[in-house]
Amino acid sequence: QKEVEQDPGPLSVPEGAIVSLNCTYSNSAFQYFMWYRQYSRKGPELLMYTYSSGNKEDGRFTAQVDKSSKYISLFIRDSQPSDSATYLCAMRAASGSARQLTFGSGTQLTVLP
Amino acid sequence: SAVISQKPSRDICQRGTSLTIQCQVDSQVTMMFWYRQQPGQSLTLIATANQGSEATYESGFVIDKFPISRPNLTFSTLTVSNMSPEDSSIYLCSVEDPRGMTEKLFFGSGTQLSVL
Repeated sequence: QKEVEQDPGPLSVPEGAIVSLNCTYSNSAFQYFMWYRQYSRKGPELLMYTYSSGNKEDGRFTAQVDKSSKYISLFIRDSQPSDSATYLCAMRAASGSARQLTFGSGTQLTVLP
Repeated sequence: SAVISQKPSRDICQRGTSLTIQCQVDSQVTMMFWYRQQPGQSLTLIATANQGSEATYESGFVIDKFPISRPNLTFSTLTVSNMSPEDSSIYLCSVEDPRGMTEKLFFGSGTQLSVL
């Protein structure tokens, strides 16, 4: 079993829809949770990060962490065609460093105009 | 932030040859990371390159196959040696936030490698 599981999609939604992207994990030591966005032929860029449990909102994006269920989500409201990309979750333990980041395999999202 | 220039952006190589990928950062950073991204799989860390010391390789990756140079605080190279079709992948270099916000990694645009 992988440490981090992410539904690969592909996921296709109409413009304006609410998108929910999810990852599950098995390592209870994970404390830092991140979402990266990767456009085609580009490197990933950090979109959101949260520490421990709870929600964090940034514009149309909300990151949610449920440590009891070992489940994290990224919600995109009023999705736009420019949101079409692959979304990668990543996480690490509090005592870890960037070397210990564990990534999901990514979910490919297409927002149709 | 950090701006990373990575080249080549893509290459098609013959089996048995080697390819060197270059990564240039616009600010001085202590560590540079090299990742491999295979289709449908998660980003996998190959090694961490520190200036002035040997690179640290992750399990499953060896120096003879992936030699790394780190001559200064803004530049690194990764060589993929004696390539086989199984090495076809995207290779990415990455650095931590120079301000020290360790959750934030900056990535280059990647090198798409195809081995025939």
